[in-house]
Amino acid sequence: GNSVTQMEGPVTLSEEAFLTINCTYTATGYPSLFWYVQYPGEGLQLLLKATKADDKGSNKGFEATYRKETTSFHLEKGSVQVSDSAVYFCAVANLGGKLIFGQGTELSVKP
Amino acid sequence: DTAVSQTPKYLVTQMGNDKSIKCEQNLGHDTMYWYKQDSKKFLKIMFSYNNKELIINETVPNRFSPKSPDKAHLNLHINSLELGDSAVYFCASSQGDRVGTGELFFGEGSRLTVL
Repeated sequence: GNSVTQMEGPVTLSEEAFLTINCTYTATGYPSLFWYVQYPGEGLQLLLKATKADDKGSNKGFEATYRKETTSFHLEKGSVQVSDSAVYFCAVANLGGKLIFGQGTELSVKP
Repeated sequence: DTAVSQTPKYLVTQMGNDKSIKCEQNLGHDTMYWYKQDSKKFLKIMFSYNNKELIINETVPNRFSPKSPDKAHLNLHINSLELGDSAVYFCASSQGDRVGTGELFFGEGSRLTVL
């Protein structure tokens, strides 16, 4: 079945640093790919998504490109802020209608 | 107005007890889900209902029983609670019965602690 692997956290960065969180997936067919974010004490919320190869999802300065050839969907941001501190989840939709999440990567941004 | 609301937010109970968590969504979505998040933040789907019909039932002990009285509500009842049931349980909803290109809307979670 479909699965997702993310880089392990925690990731600690200084404000304005460049962020990359790696995500690779295994899947049958061409599933949609997602990044969700979980702020402390809250539920997950969709950050961005891409529905086909070479699509770039973007939101709040975050970007991720659907790379079929490397089965990757890495999350990037050029300049992180303290308010970006959260847990980030990569996810893939499978044919059975389920959203399969990676293990989450905790990001901590220091002033 | 909260889109997906769960109650209670915190639940502390003894082993062997029975407890319920309730979920309601006011988004008009057809499909609702229960996810379990363990202490390492790993998220696993437990159940999914579409228009009151069970469509996803993962390998979950039968002590867990979901109930959907209507498409806006999905409750989770847990019998004979065990220490390993301690986790944060998230309710979510989506439009349509396939999450393929859609988006899940999550509640704030219900933190269950079994002593």
